Amino acid sequence: SAVISQKPSRDICQRGTSLTIQCQVDSQVTMMFWYRQQPGQSLTLIATANQGSEATYESGFVIDKFPISRPNLTFSTLTVSNMSPEDSSIYLCSACWTSGRAGSYEQYFGPGTRLTVT
Amino acid sequence: GQNIDQPTEMTATEGAIVQINCTYQTSGFNGLFWYQQHAGEAPTFLSYNVLDGLEEKGRFSSFLSRSKGYSYLLLKELQMKDSASYLCAVGNDYKLSFGAGTTVTVRA
Repeated sequence: SAVISQKPSRDICQRGTSLTIQCQVDSQVTMMFWYRQQPGQSLTLIATANQGSEATYESGFVIDKFPISRPNLTFSTLTVSNMSPEDSSIYLCSACWTSGRAGSYEQYFGPGTRLTVT
Repeated sequence: GQNIDQPTEMTATEGAIVQINCTYQTSGFNGLFWYQQHAGEAPTFLSYNVLDGLEEKGRFSSFLSRSKGYSYLLLKELQMKDSASYLCAVGNDYKLSFGAGTTVTVRA
Protein backbone atom coordinates (compact mmCIF):
# COMPACT_ATOMS: atom_id res chain seq x y z
CA SER A 1 0.00 0.00 0.00
CA ALA A 2 1.06 3.59 -0.60
CA VAL A 3 1.60 6.17 2.09
CA ILE A 4 -0.98 8.96 2.23
CA SER A 5 -0.18 12.06 4.24
CA GLN A 6 -2.36 15.01 5.12
CA LYS A 7 -1.68 18.36 6.64
CA PRO A 8 -2.59 19.92 8.88
CA SER A 9 -3.45 17.02 11.17
CA ARG A 10 -5.74 19.29 13.14
CA ASP A 11 -6.76 22.91 13.37
CA ILE A 12 -9.03 25.20 15.31
CA CYS A 13 -10.51 27.93 13.14
CA GLN A 14 -12.80 30.87 13.60
CA ARG A 15 -16.20 31.13 12.03
CA GLY A 16 -16.13 32.75 8.59
CA THR A 17 -12.55 31.80 7.75
CA SER A 18 -11.30 29.15 5.30
CA LEU A 19 -8.88 26.27 5.67
CA THR A 20 -7.03 24.39 2.97
CA ILE A 21 -6.12 20.75 3.62
CA GLN A 22 -3.38 19.10 1.61
CA CYS A 23 -3.14 15.43 0.68
CA GLN A 24 -0.02 13.81 -0.74
CA VAL A 25 0.35 10.22 -1.92
CA ASP A 26 3.78 8.70 -2.41
CA SER A 27 2.87 6.95 -5.66
CA GLN A 28 0.60 7.59 -8.63
CA VAL A 29 -2.96 6.53 -7.99
CA THR A 30 -6.03 5.95 -10.13
CA MET A 31 -8.47 8.02 -8.12
CA MET A 32 -8.46 10.44 -5.20
CA PHE A 33 -11.42 11.33 -3.02
CA TRP A 34 -12.35 13.52 -0.08
CA TYR A 35 -14.58 12.26 2.72
CA ARG A 36 -16.00 13.80 5.86
CA GLN A 37 -16.64 12.09 9.17
CA GLN A 38 -18.78 14.11 11.53
CA PRO A 39 -18.59 13.39 15.26
CA GLY A 40 -19.96 9.95 16.11
CA GLN A 41 -20.88 9.20 12.51
CA SER A 42 -19.56 7.20 9.61
CA LEU A 43 -17.83 8.55 6.52
CA THR A 44 -19.57 10.52 3.80
CA LEU A 45 -18.09 11.16 0.37
CA ILE A 46 -17.70 14.86 -0.45
CA ALA A 47 -16.25 14.65 -3.95
CA THR A 48 -13.97 12.92 -6.41
CA ALA A 49 -10.81 14.90 -7.09
CA ASN A 50 -10.20 14.75 -10.83
CA GLN A 51 -6.71 15.33 -12.13
CA GLY A 52 -6.56 18.44 -14.27
CA SER A 53 -10.29 19.15 -14.22
CA GLU A 54 -13.08 20.19 -11.88
CA ALA A 55 -13.97 17.86 -9.03
CA THR A 56 -17.18 15.83 -9.09
CA TYR A 57 -19.32 16.61 -6.05
CA GLU A 58 -21.83 14.39 -4.29
CA SER A 59 -25.32 15.48 -3.46
CA GLY A 60 -25.30 18.07 -0.69
CA PHE A 61 -21.78 19.34 -1.40
CA VAL A 62 -20.95 22.28 -3.67
CA ILE A 63 -17.80 23.70 -5.17
CA ASP A 64 -18.20 27.14 -3.58
CA LYS A 65 -18.12 25.60 -0.12
CA PHE A 66 -15.55 22.85 -0.78
CA PRO A 67 -13.26 23.83 -3.65
CA ILE A 68 -10.91 21.01 -4.59
CA SER A 69 -7.78 20.93 -6.68
CA ARG A 70 -5.78 18.04 -8.08
CA PRO A 71 -2.93 19.40 -10.18
CA ASN A 72 -1.22 16.01 -10.62
CA LEU A 73 -1.69 12.30 -9.92
CA THR A 74 -0.33 12.36 -6.36
CA PHE A 75 -1.55 15.61 -4.77
CA SER A 76 -4.89 17.18 -3.93
CA THR A 77 -6.25 19.96 -1.77
CA LEU A 78 -9.64 20.52 -0.16
CA THR A 79 -10.66 23.95 1.07
CA VAL A 80 -13.42 24.36 3.61
CA SER A 81 -14.74 27.86 2.92
CA ASN A 82 -16.59 30.36 5.09
CA MET A 83 -16.59 27.92 7.97
CA SER A 84 -19.30 27.51 10.57
CA PRO A 85 -19.38 25.27 13.67
CA GLU A 86 -21.35 22.71 11.63
CA ASP A 87 -18.19 22.15 9.57
CA SER A 88 -16.39 20.76 12.62
CA SER A 89 -15.46 17.30 11.46
CA ILE A 90 -12.65 15.01 10.38
CA TYR A 91 -11.77 15.42 6.72
CA LEU A 92 -10.13 12.43 5.09
CA CYS A 93 -8.35 12.06 1.81
CA SER A 94 -8.43 8.67 0.15
CA ALA A 95 -6.59 7.14 -2.77
CA CYS A 96 -7.57 4.20 -4.91
CA TRP A 97 -5.73 2.04 -7.40
CA THR A 98 -6.21 -1.27 -9.05
CA SER A 99 -4.63 -4.34 -7.51
CA GLY A 100 -3.13 -7.36 -9.23
CA ARG A 101 -6.44 -9.18 -9.73
CA ALA A 102 -8.63 -8.19 -12.66
CA GLY A 103 -11.49 -5.95 -11.59
CA SER A 104 -10.08 -5.50 -8.11
CA TYR A 105 -8.98 -2.31 -6.48
CA GLU A 106 -7.87 -1.08 -3.10
CA GLN A 107 -8.69 2.14 -1.36
CA TYR A 108 -6.78 3.63 1.53
CA PHE A 109 -7.27 6.66 3.71
CA GLY A 110 -4.97 9.37 4.91
CA PRO A 111 -4.67 10.06 8.64
CA GLY A 112 -7.34 12.75 8.51
CA THR A 113 -7.56 16.42 9.47
CA ARG A 114 -9.54 17.16 12.60
CA LEU A 115 -11.18 20.54 12.19
CA THR A 116 -12.87 22.46 14.98
CA VAL A 117 -14.71 25.67 14.13
CA THR A 118 -15.44 28.08 16.96
CA GLY B 1 -30.04 5.18 -3.24
CA GLN B 2 -27.80 3.37 -0.84
CA ASN B 3 -28.86 1.35 2.19
CA ILE B 4 -26.13 -0.41 4.14
CA ASP B 5 -26.96 -2.06 7.45
CA GLN B 6 -24.71 -3.49 10.12
CA PRO B 7 -25.20 -4.05 13.85
CA THR B 8 -24.37 -1.13 16.10
CA GLU B 9 -22.44 -3.00 18.76
CA MET B 10 -20.99 -6.42 19.51
CA THR B 11 -19.11 -7.74 22.52
CA ALA B 12 -16.91 -10.82 22.64
CA THR B 13 -14.28 -12.45 24.82
CA GLU B 14 -10.57 -12.46 24.12
CA GLY B 15 -9.66 -15.51 22.05
CA ALA B 16 -13.20 -15.96 20.72
CA ILE B 17 -14.64 -15.44 17.22
CA VAL B 18 -16.98 -12.67 16.19
CA GLN B 19 -18.91 -12.32 12.92
CA ILE B 20 -20.07 -8.89 11.80
CA ASN B 21 -22.84 -8.99 9.22
CA CYS B 22 -23.51 -6.36 6.60
CA THR B 23 -26.48 -6.21 4.25
CA TYR B 24 -26.75 -3.74 1.44
CA GLN B 25 -29.13 -2.45 -1.20
CA THR B 26 -27.33 -0.10 -3.55
CA SER B 27 -27.86 1.35 -6.99
CA GLY B 28 -24.48 0.11 -8.18
CA PHE B 29 -21.86 -2.34 -6.99
CA ASN B 30 -18.29 -3.11 -7.86
CA GLY B 31 -16.96 -4.39 -4.59
CA LEU B 32 -17.40 -4.53 -0.84
CA PHE B 33 -14.83 -3.20 1.60
CA TRP B 34 -14.22 -3.69 5.29
CA TYR B 35 -12.29 -1.16 7.36
CA GLN B 36 -11.17 -1.05 10.96
CA GLN B 37 -11.23 2.27 12.78
CA HIS B 38 -9.84 2.86 16.24
CA ALA B 39 -11.12 5.86 18.14
CA GLY B 40 -9.50 9.07 16.94
CA GLU B 41 -7.78 7.40 14.00
CA ALA B 42 -8.42 7.04 10.29
CA PRO B 43 -9.98 3.86 8.85
CA THR B 44 -7.55 1.07 8.04
CA PHE B 45 -8.21 -1.16 5.03
CA LEU B 46 -8.95 -4.77 5.99
CA SER B 47 -10.44 -6.50 2.96
CA TYR B 48 -12.10 -6.19 -0.41
CA ASN B 49 -14.49 -8.67 -2.03
CA VAL B 50 -15.60 -8.34 -5.62
CA LEU B 51 -16.55 -11.98 -6.28
CA ASP B 52 -18.74 -14.28 -4.21
CA GLY B 53 -16.98 -16.35 -1.61
CA LEU B 54 -14.59 -16.13 1.26
CA GLU B 55 -11.37 -14.14 1.36
CA GLU B 56 -9.02 -15.02 4.19
CA LYS B 57 -6.25 -12.80 5.53
CA GLY B 58 -4.73 -14.15 8.69
CA ARG B 59 -7.15 -13.77 11.59
CA PHE B 60 -9.61 -11.80 9.47
CA SER B 61 -11.85 -13.25 6.76
CA SER B 62 -14.53 -11.61 4.67
CA PHE B 63 -17.40 -13.22 2.78
CA LEU B 64 -19.60 -11.89 0.02
CA SER B 65 -22.85 -13.04 -1.59
CA ARG B 66 -23.80 -10.58 -4.31
CA SER B 67 -27.16 -12.25 -5.03
CA LYS B 68 -28.17 -11.82 -1.39
CA GLY B 69 -26.63 -8.39 -0.89
CA TYR B 70 -24.79 -9.79 2.09
CA SER B 71 -21.30 -9.79 3.51
CA TYR B 72 -19.67 -10.64 6.78
CA LEU B 73 -16.35 -9.99 8.45
CA LEU B 74 -15.06 -12.79 10.65
CA LEU B 75 -12.55 -11.97 13.35
CA LYS B 76 -10.84 -15.01 14.89
CA GLU B 77 -8.68 -15.38 17.98
CA LEU B 78 -9.82 -12.01 19.21
CA GLN B 79 -7.26 -9.80 20.88
CA MET B 80 -7.82 -6.75 23.05
CA LYS B 81 -6.38 -4.56 20.28
CA ASP B 82 -9.25 -5.66 18.02
CA SER B 83 -11.60 -3.44 20.02
CA ALA B 84 -12.57 -0.89 17.39
CA SER B 85 -15.27 0.17 15.00
CA TYR B 86 -15.64 -1.95 11.85
CA LEU B 87 -17.03 -0.26 8.78
CA CYS B 88 -18.71 -2.00 5.87
CA ALA B 89 -18.55 -0.01 2.63
CA VAL B 90 -19.95 -0.64 -0.84
CA GLY B 91 -17.92 0.50 -3.81
CA ASN B 92 -19.61 1.92 -6.88
CA ASP B 93 -17.44 3.39 -9.61
CA TYR B 94 -14.63 3.53 -7.02
CA LYS B 95 -16.73 5.69 -4.69
CA LEU B 96 -17.50 4.25 -1.25
CA SER B 97 -20.78 4.35 0.65
CA PHE B 98 -20.37 3.42 4.28
CA GLY B 99 -22.54 1.73 6.83
CA ALA B 100 -22.80 3.29 10.26
CA GLY B 101 -20.15 0.97 11.66
CA THR B 102 -20.11 -1.79 14.27
CA THR B 103 -18.34 -1.15 17.56
CA VAL B 104 -16.67 -4.33 18.75
CA THR B 105 -15.60 -4.56 22.37
CA VAL B 106 -13.25 -7.35 23.34
CA ARG B 107 -13.32 -8.30 27.01
CA ALA B 108 -10.64 -10.22 28.91
